[in-house]
Amino acid sequence: GAGVSQSPSNKVTEKGKDVELRCDPISGHTALYWYRQSLGQGLEFLIYFQGNSAPDKSGLPSDRFSAERTGGSVSTLTIQRTQQEDSAVYLCASSLDISGNQPQHFGDGTRLSIL
Amino acid sequence: DQQVKQNSPSLSVQEGRISILNCDYTNSMFDYFLWYKKYPAEGPTFLISISSIKDKNEDGRFTVFLNKSAKHLSLHIVPSQPGDSAVYFCAASSQGGSEKLVFGKGTKLTVNP
Repeated sequence: GAGVSQSPSNKVTEKGKDVELRCDPISGHTALYWYRQSLGQGLEFLIYFQGNSAPDKSGLPSDRFSAERTGGSVSTLTIQRTQQEDSAVYLCASSLDISGNQPQHFGDGTRLSIL
Repeated sequence: DQQVKQNSPSLSVQEGRISILNCDYTNSMFDYFLWYKKYPAEGPTFLISISSIKDKNEDGRFTVFLNKSAKHLSLHIVPSQPGDSAVYFCAASSQGGSEKLVFGKGTKLTVNP
């Protein structure tokens, strides 16, 4: 596809379960970003990848959150032992690279609901 | 501490008129600014950006103005169309690169026919 693809689009799970969210960036984009938007809030940065490495993990809210990217393409965001405060829309974005003022292009997000 | 602020949660304008959306920032290290439009249940769509070396960038009906001394930017949409109705987010990044974006909380624009 031409744009950033995220799956699933919606996920409902019980508190304490693990969830895995997937992002497929635009072909050829080396930089990949994860954000989340909680109800009534702006977008909050979580982590970004340049290639397969993650130079900045400062936005991850706790050690229950982790992300990986393999092959310089698809990325997964994993949340272990989910809590109700993890409920949010998780957005992925990609850009050509991190230099030269390249805009980030977003997917439609995964709406995560923790019961 | 909010580094990017959009003080108007909502704005309503008449079709054909100008829409002006405002954004203030506090971090003087920000050097790249973007505007995104977001419809419900969709991801943000990139609209227009501006580097800190410029004070104006124009793309069709959309113009972004940057006032570095005031740490203020604005998005002008003229003429406004009903299809422009959406939430508009201002975002900023530093160090000249597309690293993490810091977003405002958004302004909901309604363009009335």
